Amino acid sequence: EAQVTQNPRYLITVTGKKLTVTCSQNMNHEYMSWYRQDPGLGLRQIYYSMNVEVTDKGDVPEGYKVSRKEKRNFPLILESPSPNQTSLYFCASSLSRGFSYNEQFFGPGTRLTVL
Amino acid sequence: DQQVKQNSPSLSVQEGRISILNCDYTNSMFDYFLWYKKYPAEGPTFLISISSIKDKNEDGRFTVFLNKSAKHLSLHIVPSQPGDSAVYFCAASGTYNYQLIWGAGTKLIIKP
Repeated sequence: EAQVTQNPRYLITVTGKKLTVTCSQNMNHEYMSWYRQDPGLGLRQIYYSMNVEVTDKGDVPEGYKVSRKEKRNFPLILESPSPNQTSLYFCASSLSRGFSYNEQFFGPGTRLTVL
Repeated sequence: DQQVKQNSPSLSVQEGRISILNCDYTNSMFDYFLWYKKYPAEGPTFLISISSIKDKNEDGRFTVFLNKSAKHLSLHIVPSQPGDSAVYFCAASGTYNYQLIWGAGTKLIIKP
C-alpha cells in the first residue's frame, strides 16, 4: 500500500530534551516536506527536500533540523524543544516539486506536546 | 500576514444541499490552487485543484471556481453527503515556488 508513515503518533516530552520524529514514504517520491498545524493558522511549512541531500527552509524553520540521507526517509529533529513547538506535525511527499502536476500525500500526523 | 484566508472557521449544511466553501488570497503571483480535505486523526488528502488559466474545474460532486480579479476561489459540493463532514483547506502556489501556502481551514458539518 502506498503510504507515508510517521512515528511516533503522539509524544509528550519536556523542554530541552532532544527528539526525532521519523517520516518514511514507499512511493519513491523525490519531494518531501514537514508542516506544523496550529489552530487558526492552517499548515505552515517547516522544511522541505527536493531530493537526497537537498533540503531547504520553509516558513517556520527555527528550532528544527532535517536530513535527507535516503530518498524514502525525512526525519524531523528538535534539538532543544520548547513549549511553543507544541503542535500537530505532518510529513508529506510528492513525486516531484511541481504542485501543478503532483499531488502531495500526507502522513497521519504526530501530536507533540512540550512541557 | 496570511496570504491565503478562509474566513469561515465552520459551516453547517443540510444533507443533500449545496456546500460552498470560500477562500481568498492576496498574492497575485499564485497561479495554482488546491483543496485538501482532512478527517480527524488523519493527514490531509488531495481533493481538487485549479490552474489560473481556468476559471472552473469539476470532479464529480466537487467544483472549484476561480475569480482571479477578485483573488477568490470557492469549492462547491453538490449534493452534500454525511461523509463530506471534514475540515477543508485551501492552498496556493506559484509556478516556480516549491511551497504551498495554506489557509486556516473550514470545518464543514453535514446535518442529516
